[in-house]
Amino acid sequence: DTAVSQTPKYLVTQMGNDKSIKCEQNLGHDTMYWYKQDSKKFLKIMFSYNNKELIINETVPNRFSPKSPDKAHLNLHINSLELGDSAVYFCASSFRDDPLGANVLTFGAGSRLTVL
Amino acid sequence: GQNIDQPTEMTATEGAIVQINCTYQTSGFNGLFWYQQHAGEAPTFLSYNVLDGLEEKGRFSSFLSRSKGYSYLLLKELQMKDSASYLCAVREGTALIFGKGTTLSVSS
Repeated sequence: DTAVSQTPKYLVTQMGNDKSIKCEQNLGHDTMYWYKQDSKKFLKIMFSYNNKELIINETVPNRFSPKSPDKAHLNLHINSLELGDSAVYFCASSFRDDPLGANVLTFGAGSRLTVL
Repeated sequence: GQNIDQPTEMTATEGAIVQINCTYQTSGFNGLFWYQQHAGEAPTFLSYNVLDGLEEKGRFSSFLSRSKGYSYLLLKELQMKDSASYLCAVREGTALIFGKGTTLSVSS
């Protein structure tokens, strides 16, 4: 019963290709996120969706396009892949308004993208 | 924007106590979090502080001083399995903004 699941776990592809990473959560959360973790382990937010609406869009190249068909799914499509896109991409989810105030994020296991 | 600083690396021995510090500068503050991340795995939630003071949870404790923009994570009775990266994060709106993490190596 994986809470936040991402596919694929590993992705190796050539520069210039287009690829997608899928994410699903079964926690009943209303907010989902994409984070990128680079080779130096720095975890940086890319996007956040609340109930299918984009609420955070950090400075990310427009080659990256998130899509949220419903509040349990948030997919990430990347066009024209570049070497610098190689990283681990983490999906996460939370409640936007946690009664306890914590809004704890639950992360997926990550998708390691390698661009050759 | 946010600026979150923590040491890059720390080492300690089994059974010892280690304190990982985090300082932050923020235009808004909605809570400070600590996450643990083992190599090749997802970050997992450790603690949350929104008021000043110490929160204790088993071998782990977290402290917050909002006036000083300062937090620490205290790990007691260190075990080999505590070798991991420890990520300090500040909540901005609904998103967590992470520091660059502290890699802790525990040796026997």
